[in-house]
Amino acid sequence: KAGVTQTPRYLIKTRGQQVTLSCSPISGHRSVSWYQQTPGQGLQFLFEYFSETQRNKGNFPGRFSGRQFSNSRSEMNVSTLELGDSALYLCASSLRAPGETQYFGPGTRLLVL
Amino acid sequence: GESVGLHLPTLSVQEGDNSIINCAYSNSASDYFIWYKQESGKGPQFIIDIRSNMDKRQGQRVTVLLNKTVKHLSLQIAATQPGDSAVYFCAENMGSSASKIIFGSGTRLSIRP
Repeated sequence: KAGVTQTPRYLIKTRGQQVTLSCSPISGHRSVSWYQQTPGQGLQFLFEYFSETQRNKGNFPGRFSGRQFSNSRSEMNVSTLELGDSALYLCASSLRAPGETQYFGPGTRLLVL
Repeated sequence: GESVGLHLPTLSVQEGDNSIINCAYSNSASDYFIWYKQESGKGPQFIIDIRSNMDKRQGQRVTVLLNKTVKHLSLQIAATQPGDSAVYFCAENMGSSASKIIFGSGTRLSIRP
């Protein structure tokens, strides 16, 4: 069974631009969570989607948004990029909820210049 | 508030010895705990989990111990190998119905030859 895939793996943007990251969960998994990982803040929860609905959201500004499609694939979008948005963005999937075993993708490394 | 923390940010272990990585949590409502391993350039990899109705769980070369009295979690790695070098995160989730996992800051495990 294929693991969680994320695209692109690397991305360079400039301040003020917007970016869309994509995540394909493990086949059959319906819960997708997004995390931001930085050296200073560690792994921080962004949001979680299940059946195309956002079930929970972390403490991030409205510039961070996401969505989930009917095939459980998910995207996250960051608008008006800031230098501090440079991070590794990780996606994780589980069958129904993060309370079950979560499997992470390799991440998308975003650099904002 | 909710927090998951690690006692030591770095741990250096002789190859072949056992490693013990500790984690403290503060949310007494958490009933599911997970250990992840993250190697450089990769997403976190699930190692082992434990629910609050258990005190101990064993996997292949790994054991997780849970002490609910003092809200302490530990990961023991037997016969540490060079491939065990990574950052280890503990994480907590308030039950399978919850949709947010809180990660600790991580412990870097390095192996001395």
